[in-house]
Amino acid sequence: GENVEQHPSTLSVQEGDSAVIKCTYSDSASNYFPWYKQELGKRPQLIIDIRSNVGEKKDQRIAVTLNKTAKHFSLHITETQPEDSAVYFCAASIGAAGNKLTFGGGTRVLVKP
Amino acid sequence: GAVVSQHPSWVICKSGTSVKIECRSLDFQATTMFWYRQFPKQSLMLMATSNEGSKATYEQGVEKDKFLINHASLTLSTLTVTSAHPEDSSFYICSAGGQAPLVEQYFGPGTRLTVT
Repeated sequence: GENVEQHPSTLSVQEGDSAVIKCTYSDSASNYFPWYKQELGKRPQLIIDIRSNVGEKKDQRIAVTLNKTAKHFSLHITETQPEDSAVYFCAASIGAAGNKLTFGGGTRVLVKP
Repeated sequence: GAVVSQHPSWVICKSGTSVKIECRSLDFQATTMFWYRQFPKQSLMLMATSNEGSKATYEQGVEKDKFLINHASLTLSTLTVTSAHPEDSSFYICSAGGQAPLVEQYFGPGTRLTVT
């Protein structure tokens, strides 16, 4: 089955700096890669996703890049703000309706003011 | 956007009792629902995939007789934790997938289960 590795497990950055989280996946059939932000005790919230026919996607301060050949994808947050502090999860799926997500281990991001 | 609700949001029960958690898609039909368990400071671990009108598919290591899943309609799936023990205490989250071509999953707010 699919295996998703996520690094780093914790990340501390100064406000205004950039944060980068990296994930690798094992199943070459995976073609849908969402990123979630989870605050303590709350549901995961989708912040951005990318499909395998695209190499990069950007939404304001958040961007995701995908390298299908190397089977890795990354989340980039620029101009970090204290409210970006949370746990971030990457996931991979064979992107058809009803297909399960496999999650990475999570990255705890702390943005210091 | 699509909304998924869960009930209850938290529950405390005594060891040996059973607890039922409901997951509802409020404004769309969910052909597939997923149940996850999340221990503190850990990732979401998929427990089972629930398809409307058929038996759930359980992940390896998840006891199907302990975690009963019923997906009776396109808007409701239930998870029953039977004979709960303290080690079952966790955050249980459901998600619902829409119909093709939608691939995004919509998460419920989670249920905090504490077994005493």
